[in-house]
Amino acid sequence: EVQLVQSGAEVKKPGESLRISCKASGYNFITYWIAWVRQMPGKGLEWMGIVYPGESDTAYGPSFQGQVTISADKSISTAYLQWSSLKASDTAMYYCARRYCSTTSCAEVFDYWGQGTLVTVSS
Amino acid sequence: QSALTQEASVSGTVGQKVTLSCIGNNNNIGNYAVAWYQQISHGAPKTVMFRNSLPSGIPDRFSGSKSGTTASLTISGLQPEDEADYYCSTYDYSLSAWVFGGGTKLTVL
Repeated sequence: EVQLVQSGAEVKKPGESLRISCKASGYNFITYWIAWVRQMPGKGLEWMGIVYPGESDTAYGPSFQGQVTISADKSISTAYLQWSSLKASDTAMYYCARRYCSTTSCAEVFDYWGQGTLVTVSS
Repeated sequence: QSALTQEASVSGTVGQKVTLSCIGNNNNIGNYAVAWYQQISHGAPKTVMFRNSLPSGIPDRFSGSKSGTTASLTISGLQPEDEADYYCSTYDYSLSAWVFGGGTKLTVL
Protein backbone atom coordinates (compact mmCIF):
# COMPACT_ATOMS: atom_id res chain seq x y z
CA GLU A 1 0.00 0.00 0.00
CA VAL A 2 1.39 3.37 -1.03
CA GLN A 3 1.64 5.78 1.89
CA LEU A 4 3.05 9.27 2.32
CA VAL A 5 3.36 10.16 6.00
CA GLN A 6 4.24 13.73 6.85
CA SER A 7 5.86 15.16 9.96
CA GLY A 8 3.79 16.84 12.65
CA ALA A 9 2.52 20.37 13.06
CA GLU A 10 5.06 23.12 13.73
CA VAL A 11 4.83 26.47 15.47
CA LYS A 12 7.70 28.82 14.69
CA LYS A 13 8.69 32.46 15.00
CA PRO A 14 9.47 34.73 12.06
CA GLY A 15 13.09 34.38 10.98
CA GLU A 16 13.45 30.80 12.23
CA SER A 17 14.37 27.92 9.96
CA LEU A 18 12.29 24.79 9.44
CA ARG A 19 12.37 21.49 7.59
CA ILE A 20 9.30 19.30 7.24
CA SER A 21 9.30 15.78 5.88
CA CYS A 22 7.29 13.30 3.86
CA LYS A 23 8.17 9.64 4.32
CA ALA A 24 7.16 7.31 1.52
CA SER A 25 6.44 3.60 1.69
CA GLY A 26 4.86 0.87 -0.41
CA TYR A 27 6.63 1.67 -3.67
CA ASN A 28 10.07 2.31 -5.19
CA PHE A 29 10.75 5.82 -3.86
CA ILE A 30 13.50 6.73 -6.30
CA THR A 31 11.39 6.28 -9.43
CA TYR A 32 8.52 8.65 -8.64
CA TRP A 33 8.50 12.43 -8.41
CA ILE A 34 7.29 13.98 -5.13
CA ALA A 35 5.67 17.41 -5.14
CA TRP A 36 4.88 19.90 -2.40
CA VAL A 37 1.61 21.83 -2.39
CA ARG A 38 0.67 24.78 -0.20
CA GLN A 39 -2.78 25.66 1.08
CA MET A 40 -3.01 28.95 2.91
CA PRO A 41 -5.88 29.41 5.39
CA GLY A 42 -9.19 29.47 3.56
CA LYS A 43 -7.51 29.33 0.16
CA GLY A 44 -6.92 26.86 -2.65
CA LEU A 45 -4.05 24.58 -3.60
CA GLU A 46 -0.76 25.95 -4.97
CA TRP A 47 2.05 23.89 -6.45
CA MET A 48 5.38 24.77 -4.86
CA GLY A 49 7.84 22.44 -6.50
CA ILE A 50 8.85 18.87 -7.17
CA VAL A 51 11.80 16.54 -6.67
CA TYR A 52 12.91 13.34 -8.41
CA PRO A 53 14.62 11.35 -5.66
CA GLY A 54 16.52 9.10 -8.04
CA GLU A 55 18.64 11.97 -9.36
CA SER A 56 17.69 14.79 -6.96
CA ASP A 57 16.31 16.81 -9.87
CA THR A 58 14.13 19.65 -8.66
CA ALA A 59 11.82 22.27 -10.14
CA TYR A 60 10.07 25.13 -8.40
CA GLY A 61 6.97 27.18 -9.02
CA PRO A 62 7.65 30.82 -9.93
CA SER A 63 6.35 32.10 -6.60
CA PHE A 64 8.49 29.72 -4.60
CA GLN A 65 11.83 29.76 -6.41
CA GLY A 66 14.44 31.01 -3.95
CA GLN A 67 11.96 30.96 -1.06
CA VAL A 68 12.11 27.26 -0.17
CA THR A 69 14.34 24.26 -0.80
CA ILE A 70 13.01 20.86 -1.80
CA SER A 71 15.17 17.79 -1.43
CA ALA A 72 15.04 14.03 -0.93
CA ASP A 73 17.05 11.39 0.91
CA LYS A 74 16.64 8.15 -1.01
CA SER A 75 18.33 6.14 1.73
CA ILE A 76 15.32 6.72 3.98
CA SER A 77 12.64 7.29 1.31
CA THR A 78 11.92 10.78 2.57
CA ALA A 79 11.32 14.09 0.82
CA TYR A 80 11.80 17.45 2.50
CA LEU A 81 10.60 21.01 2.28
CA GLN A 82 12.66 23.60 4.08
CA TRP A 83 12.81 27.29 4.83
CA SER A 84 15.86 29.22 6.00
CA SER A 85 13.93 32.20 7.33
CA LEU A 86 10.21 31.87 7.90
CA LYS A 87 7.71 34.67 7.48
CA ALA A 88 4.23 35.03 8.91
CA SER A 89 2.93 34.59 5.37
CA ASP A 90 4.34 31.03 5.34
CA THR A 91 1.55 30.03 7.72
CA ALA A 92 -0.28 27.31 5.83
CA MET A 93 -0.97 23.62 5.46
CA TYR A 94 1.63 21.85 3.34
CA TYR A 95 0.99 18.60 1.48
CA CYS A 96 3.32 16.24 -0.31
CA ALA A 97 1.97 14.29 -3.27
CA ARG A 98 3.32 11.61 -5.59
CA ARG A 99 3.31 12.16 -9.33
CA TYR A 100 1.55 9.36 -11.18
CA CYS A 101 3.73 7.19 -13.37
CA SER A 102 2.90 4.08 -15.37
CA THR A 103 5.48 1.56 -16.47
CA THR A 104 6.18 3.66 -19.57
CA SER A 105 5.61 7.31 -18.73
CA CYS A 106 4.61 9.86 -16.12
CA ALA A 107 1.50 12.03 -16.24
CA GLU A 108 0.95 15.54 -15.01
CA VAL A 109 -1.22 14.38 -12.15
CA PHE A 110 -0.74 13.35 -8.53
CA ASP A 111 -2.11 10.02 -7.35
CA TYR A 112 -1.27 9.82 -3.63
CA TRP A 113 -1.18 12.57 -1.03
CA GLY A 114 0.25 12.94 2.46
CA GLN A 115 -1.97 13.92 5.37
CA GLY A 116 -0.57 17.45 5.53
CA THR A 117 1.68 19.41 7.90
CA LEU A 118 0.36 22.60 9.46
CA VAL A 119 3.01 25.29 9.80
CA THR A 120 2.17 28.30 11.94
CA VAL A 121 4.55 31.25 11.99
CA SER A 122 3.80 33.84 14.63
CA SER A 123 5.72 36.11 16.92
CA GLN B 1 -5.94 34.54 -10.56
CA SER B 2 -5.76 30.79 -11.27
CA ALA B 3 -4.65 29.51 -14.66
CA LEU B 4 -7.63 27.15 -14.58
CA THR B 5 -11.16 28.47 -14.06
CA GLN B 6 -13.72 26.58 -12.01
CA GLU B 7 -17.19 27.45 -10.75
CA ALA B 8 -17.00 28.85 -7.22
CA SER B 9 -19.93 26.76 -6.07
CA VAL B 10 -22.29 24.09 -7.32
CA SER B 11 -25.15 22.43 -5.51
CA GLY B 12 -27.36 19.43 -6.09
CA THR B 13 -29.77 17.14 -4.32
CA VAL B 14 -29.16 13.54 -3.36
CA GLY B 15 -29.39 11.33 -6.41
CA GLN B 16 -28.97 14.18 -8.88
CA LYS B 17 -26.25 14.39 -11.52
CA VAL B 18 -23.90 17.35 -11.32
CA THR B 19 -21.05 18.42 -13.58
CA LEU B 20 -18.11 20.54 -12.54
CA SER B 21 -16.08 22.28 -15.19
CA CYS B 22 -12.47 23.38 -15.49
CA ILE B 23 -11.54 25.82 -18.24
CA GLY B 24 -7.95 26.24 -19.35
CA ASN B 25 -6.11 26.85 -22.60
CA ASN B 26 -3.71 25.17 -25.00
CA ASN B 27 -0.80 25.77 -22.62
CA ASN B 28 -2.35 23.41 -20.08
CA ILE B 29 -5.55 21.40 -20.48
CA GLY B 30 -5.26 21.37 -24.25
CA ASN B 31 -2.03 19.38 -24.06
CA TYR B 32 -1.87 17.55 -20.75
CA ALA B 33 -3.82 15.10 -18.65
CA VAL B 34 -6.13 16.60 -16.04
CA ALA B 35 -6.72 15.37 -12.51
CA TRP B 36 -9.51 16.11 -10.07
CA TYR B 37 -8.94 16.25 -6.32
CA GLN B 38 -11.57 16.09 -3.60
CA GLN B 39 -11.01 17.86 -0.30
CA ILE B 40 -13.53 17.18 2.44
CA SER B 41 -13.73 19.65 5.32
CA HIS B 42 -10.18 20.93 4.72
CA GLY B 43 -8.72 17.43 5.08
CA ALA B 44 -6.02 16.10 2.79
CA PRO B 45 -6.84 16.15 -0.92
CA LYS B 46 -7.83 12.84 -2.44
CA THR B 47 -7.48 12.02 -6.11
CA VAL B 48 -10.88 11.10 -7.57
CA MET B 49 -10.08 11.21 -11.29
CA PHE B 50 -7.04 11.35 -13.51
CA ARG B 51 -6.65 10.82 -17.20
CA ASN B 52 -10.41 10.18 -17.20
CA SER B 53 -9.77 7.06 -15.12
CA LEU B 54 -10.96 6.22 -11.63
CA PRO B 55 -8.34 5.53 -8.97
CA SER B 56 -8.85 2.43 -6.91
CA GLY B 57 -11.62 2.82 -4.34
CA ILE B 58 -13.38 5.73 -6.02
CA PRO B 59 -17.05 4.93 -6.77
CA ASP B 60 -18.05 4.70 -10.39
CA ARG B 61 -20.59 7.50 -10.02
CA PHE B 62 -17.58 9.74 -10.67
CA SER B 63 -16.57 10.21 -14.29
CA GLY B 64 -14.32 12.60 -16.15
CA SER B 65 -13.99 13.97 -19.64
CA LYS B 66 -12.02 16.52 -21.61
CA SER B 67 -12.88 18.42 -24.76
CA GLY B 68 -10.29 20.78 -26.13
CA THR B 69 -9.31 23.11 -23.32
CA THR B 70 -12.16 22.23 -20.95
CA ALA B 71 -12.26 19.33 -18.52
CA SER B 72 -15.31 18.13 -16.64
CA LEU B 73 -16.02 16.00 -13.60
CA THR B 74 -19.48 14.46 -13.45
CA ILE B 75 -20.99 12.89 -10.35
CA SER B 76 -24.02 10.77 -11.14
CA GLY B 77 -26.26 9.87 -8.24
CA LEU B 78 -24.96 12.51 -5.85
CA GLN B 79 -24.44 11.33 -2.26
CA PRO B 80 -24.15 13.34 0.97
CA GLU B 81 -20.53 12.23 1.35
CA ASP B 82 -19.68 13.90 -1.97
CA GLU B 83 -20.00 17.32 -0.36
CA ALA B 84 -16.50 18.76 -0.63
CA ASP B 85 -14.23 21.17 -2.43
CA TYR B 86 -13.07 19.91 -5.82
CA TYR B 87 -9.92 21.10 -7.57
CA CYS B 88 -8.80 20.43 -11.11
CA SER B 89 -5.12 20.46 -11.99
CA THR B 90 -2.63 19.88 -14.77
CA TYR B 91 0.72 21.12 -16.06
CA ASP B 92 1.18 24.45 -17.81
CA TYR B 93 4.18 24.55 -20.12
CA SER B 94 4.18 28.33 -20.55
CA LEU B 95 4.49 28.70 -16.77
CA SER B 96 6.67 25.58 -16.38
CA ALA B 97 4.52 24.73 -13.42
CA TRP B 98 1.67 22.60 -12.27
CA VAL B 99 -1.48 24.67 -11.92
CA PHE B 100 -4.70 24.26 -9.96
CA GLY B 101 -8.13 25.69 -10.46
CA GLY B 102 -9.54 27.90 -7.73
CA GLY B 103 -11.76 25.06 -6.54
CA THR B 104 -15.50 24.37 -6.62
CA LYS B 105 -17.45 24.01 -3.41
CA LEU B 106 -20.01 21.26 -3.98
CA THR B 107 -22.99 21.35 -1.64
CA VAL B 108 -25.38 18.42 -1.38
CA LEU B 109 -28.81 19.72 -0.44
